[in-house]
Amino acid sequence: DAGVTQSPTHLIKTRGQHVTLRCSPISGHKSVSWYQQVLGQGPQFIFQYYEKEERGRGNFPDRFSARQFPNYSSELNVNALLLGDSALYLCASSSGTGVYGYTFGSGTRLTVV
Amino acid sequence: GQQVMQIPQYQHVQEGEDFTTYCNSSTTLSNIQWYKQRPGGHPVFLIQLVKSGEVKKQKRLTFQFGEAKKNSSLHITATQTTDVGTYFCAGTGTASKLTFGTGTRLQVTL
Repeated sequence: DAGVTQSPTHLIKTRGQHVTLRCSPISGHKSVSWYQQVLGQGPQFIFQYYEKEERGRGNFPDRFSARQFPNYSSELNVNALLLGDSALYLCASSSGTGVYGYTFGSGTRLTVV
Repeated sequence: GQQVMQIPQYQHVQEGEDFTTYCNSSTTLSNIQWYKQRPGGHPVFLIQLVKSGEVKKQKRLTFQFGEAKKNSSLHITATQTTDVGTYFCAGTGTASKLTFGTGTRLQVTL
């Protein structure tokens, strides 16, 4: 079985641009969460979706948005990119909404120049 | 908001020595999870603790959840070079979001 897949693996964008990151969860998993991990720090929660509904939102500006599709895959969108948005963006899937272990994808490394 | 701190931030041990990382939350947790992240990799789920005072073992790893459900620890007996990485605790509070700790980076040398 495939694990959590994320695309692209690496991305370089210019300040002010927009980016879309994609995630496919493990087959059968209905929950997808997005995390931002800056080098040397722990992952920071951005969004959680379950059954296509937003179930949680972290302390991120409105430039960050996400959605989950009927096949449970998900997109994370970031508008008006800032240098500080440079980070590893991780997607995690779970069979439930909270009290289960999460399986993480390998992430998308975003560099904003 | 909920904050989860870990100590130490970094520890360097010789192979065969023991290692412990401590995790403290500012709020009571519903559960605590532990993850390991190798350099350049992504977090990998190790275990989840749910009950107050719970202790779980995985080979050389021992995980504990505090009685007040606000702290946890991970102890590794007789470290090996394969244990190298950053260990994160992550807690779920009243909301469903998972809050990661600050992490403890473990370096093991021969």
